[in-house]
Amino acid sequence: DGGITQSPKYLFRKEGQNVTLSCEQNLNHDAMYWYRQDPGQGLRLIYYSQIVNDFQKGDIAEGYSVSREKKESFPLTVTSAQKNPTAFYLCASMGGLGELFFGEGSRLTVL
Amino acid sequence: QKEVEQDPGPLSVPEGAIVSLNCTYSNSAFQYFMWYRQYSRKGPELLMYTYSSGNKEDGRFTAQVDKSSKYISLFIRDSQPSDSATYLCAMKENDYKLSFGAGTTVTVRA
Repeated sequence: DGGITQSPKYLFRKEGQNVTLSCEQNLNHDAMYWYRQDPGQGLRLIYYSQIVNDFQKGDIAEGYSVSREKKESFPLTVTSAQKNPTAFYLCASMGGLGELFFGEGSRLTVL
Repeated sequence: QKEVEQDPGPLSVPEGAIVSLNCTYSNSAFQYFMWYRQYSRKGPELLMYTYSSGNKEDGRFTAQVDKSSKYISLFIRDSQPSDSATYLCAMKENDYKLSFGAGTTVTVRA
């Protein structure tokens, strides 16, 4: 089945550590996105990529980094510079109508 | 002021009731409007998509867009316990970025 696969589903991080969240899609979509979701705040855009080897900062990019070396893959690294990284992270890709298809999410908890 | 404001909820309704969810927006350049449903600890899934003013029906769901008033709504008829979820409105211009509402959590009581 076509879709977005995020891993891991749950992740625990000690303060000062970098962690990388994986996102893979087999929908053949060009554009991919990373959002952060906190209770009561909706979805906030971290980074997006319209095409391979190109990406742009979203509204809350500080403390995060991404790469887009392959069309299918858009990993997100949460660095130690991110002051409040505990959140639910969602990866998405954009379909032909401009709609987003989301993965199941990764929940990161800082210990 | 946020670009997209969504009625915060939460909403609790009895089974069979009509659920009404609303969002207002300030950016008149928004052209495409979506509603997503998100179950607890899951990713959002697209429920309705529309790009014109008026109503669009899909089964028990009706999406309504009023561009002149910058207002969109989602109605759920004959609500079921399985409709209990958080509903997010989203909208976009003719580009790559969507703007989301904060979400409304709905509980349908059996």
